[in-house]
Amino acid sequence: DAKTTQPNSMESNEEEPVHLPCNHSTISGTDYIHWYRQLPSQGPEYVIHGLTSNVNNRMASLAIAEDRKSSTLILHRATLRDAAVYYCILRDGSTGNQFYFGTGTSLTVIP
Amino acid sequence: EPEVTQTPSHQVTQMGQEVILRCVPISNHLYFYWYRQILGQKVEFLVSFYNNEISEKSEIFDDQFSVERPDGSNFTLKIRSTKLEDSAMYFCASRRTGALEKLFFGSGTQLSVL
Repeated sequence: DAKTTQPNSMESNEEEPVHLPCNHSTISGTDYIHWYRQLPSQGPEYVIHGLTSNVNNRMASLAIAEDRKSSTLILHRATLRDAAVYYCILRDGSTGNQFYFGTGTSLTVIP
Repeated sequence: EPEVTQTPSHQVTQMGQEVILRCVPISNHLYFYWYRQILGQKVEFLVSFYNNEISEKSEIFDDQFSVERPDGSNFTLKIRSTKLEDSAMYFCASRRTGALEKLFFGSGTQLSVL
């Protein structure tokens, strides 16, 4: 099952950066770190993923610790639309089929 | 952007009745999934499906559940005899071939069992 630990909730002010942490101390060498988010009343949506190096895309950045036992999703300027539950998921890169969600972090963005 | 379509958006049924939840995955996707989310709880994996057979299922996916790809576009989840505890939001997802391909989720079907 899910092998990640995230804070239950976080708050951020609008237009400020948000750092969402995730611990995955039992990560294996073939596990990729994926982030999904679930906006209210919607299905989850992909945000970003990475293996070892930090990653950037139009939605966010992913910073991965050197030992890979933790990672941080960075939203550079939070908007009200970013209020969601953010899930950090380990996905086996050799099979890719298992995909288990944890409890995630509920992000509140304050105007 | 292409999307996964689920119908109906809401389904109300009586306990013991059969329900079929329908999904139209993205057209060039080959891997299909069902997840459920009980109100206030986490998203739970039910089953994955590839090449016309179940590739993986969770312990939730017991004999009351079945999945089918009846034609080239639909992917269905059937619950044979619904129970009160089956009330949940059910999400369908699909992805392309490739172990790291991202999952695309539908907006879900809210199932209420009375």
